[in-house]
Amino acid sequence: GENVEQHPSTLSVQEGDSAVIKCTYSDSASNYFPWYKQELGKGPQLIIDIRSNVGEKKDQRIAVTLNKTAKHFSLHITETQPEDSAVYFCAASLLGSTLGRLYFGRGTQLTVWP
Amino acid sequence: EAGVTQFPSHSVIEKGQTVTLRCDPISGHDNLYWYRRVMGKEIKFLLHFVKESKQDESGMPNNRFLAERTGGTYSTLKVQPAELEDSGVYFCASSQTPEGKTQYFGPGTRLLVL
Repeated sequence: GENVEQHPSTLSVQEGDSAVIKCTYSDSASNYFPWYKQELGKGPQLIIDIRSNVGEKKDQRIAVTLNKTAKHFSLHITETQPEDSAVYFCAASLLGSTLGRLYFGRGTQLTVWP
Repeated sequence: EAGVTQFPSHSVIEKGQTVTLRCDPISGHDNLYWYRRVMGKEIKFLLHFVKESKQDESGMPNNRFLAERTGGTYSTLKVQPAELEDSGVYFCASSQTPEGKTQYFGPGTRLLVL
C-alpha cells in the first residue's frame, strides 16, 4: 500500500517568514494530494490540494508543488501569521478509484511566533 | 449547511469496557469514512461506507471493532472490549463521491482507555 512520509515533525517560524513542509509518497499510482490543517480541538480541514497533472497550485499565501518523478510534494506558506499555527497533514490518494481512502503523513506542528 | 458531527467529543473508559462512537455525515453524502490517529502518528484509515454498505474495511485493526451504518445515514463504531492500544482520536469524514476529492472531517472523538 501507499506510504507517506512527512517532514519536519515540528516547525517554528517568526511571523512574516515562510514555512515549508515536505512529503514523499511511495505509490506512483497516487494522483491526488490534499493538505489538511488541524487547529486545536477541531478536525482536519482541507486547505489546498493538487492533482498529478499539475505541478504547482497557489491560493493566496499557500502554495503546493508536486514532483511526480521524485514522488514528493510540498506545502509553502508565505508571510506566516500566528493564526497559521496548527498541525498540518499531507495525504495521498487515488482519484477515480471507488475506494477513496486517504493515506496521511504523521503531521507537522507549525508554530508562528509573533 | 451543517458539517460532520461526532459524539461524544471525549470518552474515558477502563480496559475491557465497551464504547460506541457516533458520526453524522453531511446530509446527502453517501460516502463515510472512519480514521484514527494514535498519539504522534499518522491518521490511519479504518473503513469506508458507501450508503449502508462497507466498501472497504481493510483498515479495521481486529474483530473488537464493529462499524455500522444502518439506513445509510449516521454511523457508529463500537469497540468491545476496549484495550489500552485503542486510545487515540477517532475521526469521521464524509464526501459526496469517492472519485471526487474533498473529504470533510468531523472534530473527532478523543478516546482514552485506562
